[in-house]
Amino acid sequence: AQKITQTQPGMFVQEKEAVTLDCTYDTSDPSYGLFWYKQPSSGEMIFLIYQGSYDQQNATEGRYSLNFQKARKSANLVISASQLGDSAMYFCAMSDSNYQLIWGAGTKLIIKP
Amino acid sequence: DVKVTQSSRYLVKRTGEKVFLECVQDMDHENMFWYRQDPGLGLRLIYFSYDVKMKEKGDIPEGYSVSREKKERFSLILESASTNQTSMYLCASSYGTTYNEQFFGPGTRLTVL
Repeated sequence: AQKITQTQPGMFVQEKEAVTLDCTYDTSDPSYGLFWYKQPSSGEMIFLIYQGSYDQQNATEGRYSLNFQKARKSANLVISASQLGDSAMYFCAMSDSNYQLIWGAGTKLIIKP
Repeated sequence: DVKVTQSSRYLVKRTGEKVFLECVQDMDHENMFWYRQDPGLGLRLIYFSYDVKMKEKGDIPEGYSVSREKKERFSLILESASTNQTSMYLCASSYGTTYNEQFFGPGTRLTVL
């Protein structure tokens, strides 16, 4: 069965440090997509970054990059130079062939000043 | 910008009431989704629709029904609300294939007393 695992329920990081949020996935489908979303305390879900299973390069979007290790089935999100506004819940998700996203349980990230 | 709106941010209902949650998107997206979000469980898909009048069950459809009479509108119905349906409900939409990001509404926090 397809599954997303986020093993870090919560993390504290000092402002301006880089942070890595872990995500591992399980699928037997050779074609899939991996997403990261941010959910601030206000509740809205904000799309951050996407990686396709056939993409050769790791995806990057500004301060966000996705460390995609296909053989290990991991898709960690790296945030460089963290800011106070990065404090939020972060969700990893995987698309399957049925229009659905399978979601991890999320990681609560707190940036300390 | 894509906009997904939900009819209420907060809703309080009594056990046994019929509850309607409405979602509207303005970007002509084919796909629309209803999730519920509970702490520690991530997002769980209730129903989704990939076309007008089409609907598919997600992971937890029991106790819910949906309606999609127009492309821009996707309604979630709790036929007889129960206390275990107290949750945050998120609507999302996307276009095309499963590898496209989903755009989310602000969420409805439903409390059933």
